[in-house]
Amino acid sequence: NAGVTQTPKFRVLKTGQSMTLLCAQDMNHEYMYWYRQDPGMGLRLIHYSVGEGTTAKGEVPDGYNVSRLKKQNFLLGLESAAPSQTSVYFCASSARLAGRSTDTQYFGPGTRLTVL
Amino acid sequence: EDQVTQSPEALRLQEGESSSLNCSYTVSGLRGLFWYRQDPGKGPEFLFTLYSAGEEKEKERLKATLTKKESFLHITAPKPEDSATYLCAVQAPGAGSYQLTFGKGTKLSVIP
Repeated sequence: NAGVTQTPKFRVLKTGQSMTLLCAQDMNHEYMYWYRQDPGMGLRLIHYSVGEGTTAKGEVPDGYNVSRLKKQNFLLGLESAAPSQTSVYFCASSARLAGRSTDTQYFGPGTRLTVL
Repeated sequence: EDQVTQSPEALRLQEGESSSLNCSYTVSGLRGLFWYRQDPGKGPEFLFTLYSAGEEKEKERLKATLTKKESFLHITAPKPEDSATYLCAVQAPGAGSYQLTFGKGTKLSVIP
């Protein structure tokens, strides 16, 4: 099992450009997440999905959009990149437990994005 | 608002010198507390989940404990390969259970 994979690993954008980050998981997890990690700050949740075709906003959703067309994939889009979006982006996934709860999140290796 | 504070921010140990990392939290009805290890340029790697006060879990040189207000990650006789940033996160119940609130981490350096 590869677990959670992310592409690309690195990317440099100019202000105003757009791009999509791809996350894939092979653990058959229901839930998927996108976080950003900045120096001196903890991981912060951008958006998450509780199942195929569903998405929800996290703590810092502005400037990002997401889609979950297939259970194993979760895409994060930047429509018009800004320097403030320079960060390391992590995808995670977790299994569905009894009821509608979930538990341990497993993370991908990250995408380092620089916006000039 | 859920909060997680980790201390110290950085810790430098000699190989074999045992110590503890602290994670203090405020959350209404803790559902789970998670410890992760993060190496430079990598994603967080899951270590432990603790669910209730008094619970302890061990893995090699690491032992995690939980009280009603804080968690400790004890490192016994650390080796240089234990050098990493250790992250703590809490999970609230109900609708908030999908979100983890992370601390800023403790950067551990183990010197040979």
